[in-house]
Amino acid sequence: NAGVMQNPRHLVRRRGQEARLRCSPMKGHSHVYWYRQLPEEGLKFMVYLQKENIIDESGMPKERFSAEFPKEGPSILRIQQVVRGDSAAYFCASSPRAGPNTGELFFGEGSRLTVL
Amino acid sequence: GESVGLHLPTLSVQEGDNSIINCAYSNSASDYFIWYKQESGKGPQFIIDIRSNMDKRQGQRVTVLLNKTVKHLSLQIAATQPGDSAVYFCAETVLINSNSGYALNFGKGTSLLVTP
Repeated sequence: NAGVMQNPRHLVRRRGQEARLRCSPMKGHSHVYWYRQLPEEGLKFMVYLQKENIIDESGMPKERFSAEFPKEGPSILRIQQVVRGDSAAYFCASSPRAGPNTGELFFGEGSRLTVL
Repeated sequence: GESVGLHLPTLSVQEGDNSIINCAYSNSASDYFIWYKQESGKGPQFIIDIRSNMDKRQGQRVTVLLNKTVKHLSLQIAATQPGDSAVYFCAETVLINSNSGYALNFGKGTSLLVTP
């Protein structure tokens, strides 16, 4: 039973390029969350998606960032025209259901983005 | 401990001693709390959770204490082992969407270093 799979694990981009981060949730999980972690800081909520729907994106910057979770395939976090401040670890988590029992939130190993 | 600048609070303990990691949360309406362990280069792993109608919960070698009056959580690790060295985060559940959309709000984290 594979866990949450994220790829790429490491991504290097130059300023102005695009970054695409992928997340395949655990089997049977239809709820996906993306978090960003800056060095020596906690995880900051970005966006919560269910299949084909963005439920809440209040933690996501208004410009350059977008997320999707299509009916088929992984969830994708897309960052356009990256800047150095986007350098961080991006974690995806999945859950089998919504609700306050988010102890059932399972995290992937993260994608580490470095912007040169 | 208190954080200074960008440095994580650090707790250094000797192998075999008990560890206590503290966390203050912000939202008095939060009713569910989780402790996560994050090893270097990996995603957060669930350790133990507690609901607001409890003030103590025990797991294997770990105990979480909740003081709602002062909005304080602590994680106690008994007989600390080298494998316990990691960053520990507390997280509170926050409602982000009226359709039962919940996300986790993470604290800054404490780095636990276990010395032989």
